[in-house]
Amino acid sequence: DGGITQSPKYLFRKEGQNVTLSCEQNLNHDAMYWYRQDPGQGLRLIYYSQIVNDFQKGDIAEGYSVSREKKESFPLTVTSAQKNPTAFYLCASSIGGQAGETQYFGPGTRLLVL
Amino acid sequence: AQSVTQLDSQVPVFEEAPVELRCNYSSSVSVYLFWYVQYPNQGLQLLLKYLSGSTLVKGINGFEAEFNKSQTSFHLRKPSVHISDTAEYFCAVIYVSGGYQKVTFGTGTKLQVIP
Repeated sequence: DGGITQSPKYLFRKEGQNVTLSCEQNLNHDAMYWYRQDPGQGLRLIYYSQIVNDFQKGDIAEGYSVSREKKESFPLTVTSAQKNPTAFYLCASSIGGQAGETQYFGPGTRLLVL
Repeated sequence: AQSVTQLDSQVPVFEEAPVELRCNYSSSVSVYLFWYVQYPNQGLQLLLKYLSGSTLVKGINGFEAEFNKSQTSFHLRKPSVHISDTAEYFCAVIYVSGGYQKVTFGTGTKLQVIP
């Protein structure tokens, strides 16, 4: 079955620690996205990538970093500079990153701070 | 600045009753409009989208939405809800101007279907 997988389902971060969230897709999509979801705030775009080895900042990129070395993978690192990382993180992909395309979402990773 | 407003944070409705979830947006540029559904602790799933053409869009699970350009609205409707429709619903707008595009999500509406 084609789809998007995110791991882990839950992730705990200690003070000053960097953590990496995994996102993998086997849909052969060129574009991939990372969103952060907080209660009552909807989704906010962190980073997106329309092609391998290229990515762009979204609305709330500070404290986060990404890489896109392979088409199927778009890992997100939450750095120690992100002072309020507790949230639900959603990865998505679309065929080519054009405006009208449907985005397909993974099941999400919930990040909690110890 | 572009914005998407979902005025109702929660909507309780009895099973088999009709429901309308409201979405308004601000825009002076072209838009594409989407409704997504999210079940607890899961990702989002597309219900329907409006790109162009007929303003009445039909989606999955019996939902439909109507694009009203003059009122800048894209309300979601279902004539008869089921218990399984209990979830959170997000309106999303993609603003397009030249080569620039920006996606903005609403804050979500929790639909609670009461047996």
